[in-house]
Amino acid sequence: SQQGEEDPQALSIQEGENATMNCSYKTSINNLQWYRQNSGRGLVHLILIRSNEREKHSGRLRVTLDTSKKSSSLLITASRAADTASYFCATDKNGAAGNKLTFGGGTRVLVKP
Amino acid sequence: EPEVTQTPSHQVTQMGQEVILRCVPISNHLYFYWYRQILGQKVEFLVSFYNNEISEKSEIFDDQFSVERPDGSNFTLKIRSTKLEDSAMYFCASIAGGLEQFFGPGTRLTVL
Repeated sequence: SQQGEEDPQALSIQEGENATMNCSYKTSINNLQWYRQNSGRGLVHLILIRSNEREKHSGRLRVTLDTSKKSSSLLITASRAADTASYFCATDKNGAAGNKLTFGGGTRVLVKP
Repeated sequence: EPEVTQTPSHQVTQMGQEVILRCVPISNHLYFYWYRQILGQKVEFLVSFYNNEISEKSEIFDDQFSVERPDGSNFTLKIRSTKLEDSAMYFCASIAGGLEQFFGPGTRLTVL
């Protein structure tokens, strides 16, 4: 698989439930970022986790990183209808300003009211 | 809150025509990018730009593509002779110097 592959590709849950999605990557990274994209819109940065971090929280978001398995997970707790979007992981190999991001294929999340 | 803006939101063009996609990055940002997303596929890096020159470009960014920062605010992507496969959403992004990239809302390019 290519750098940054999310699974599942699609997820449908009820409001209030938690949503978990995973991202795997192939090469070593400096950091991994999660972005959200509402349908037909731009990408919004959610959270960044560095390669020396294992877990990070931001509001209802929890991100983990396991560099030994080259994988990350994004957990959205107590989901809301407004969380309906596509979620992408993006890896940065070097962590220097100006570096490109390599995106995964995304997980489409539908939160039903 | 400052944001990256892009115009137009949707551009329809005939195959072989030239198009220019425009972006206004956040004013104090230093690094600029173009990415594209073909419908249903991943977001792909095209090019990065810093200090008035290209820092890195992908294989997609061939001779048909060029970028320019003609003044202190605009950042443009030009496709010289569009192909059907250039149809995609094109995103501009910028950063100040940290790692988080701020994306614009995108321009949907449709090549007929």
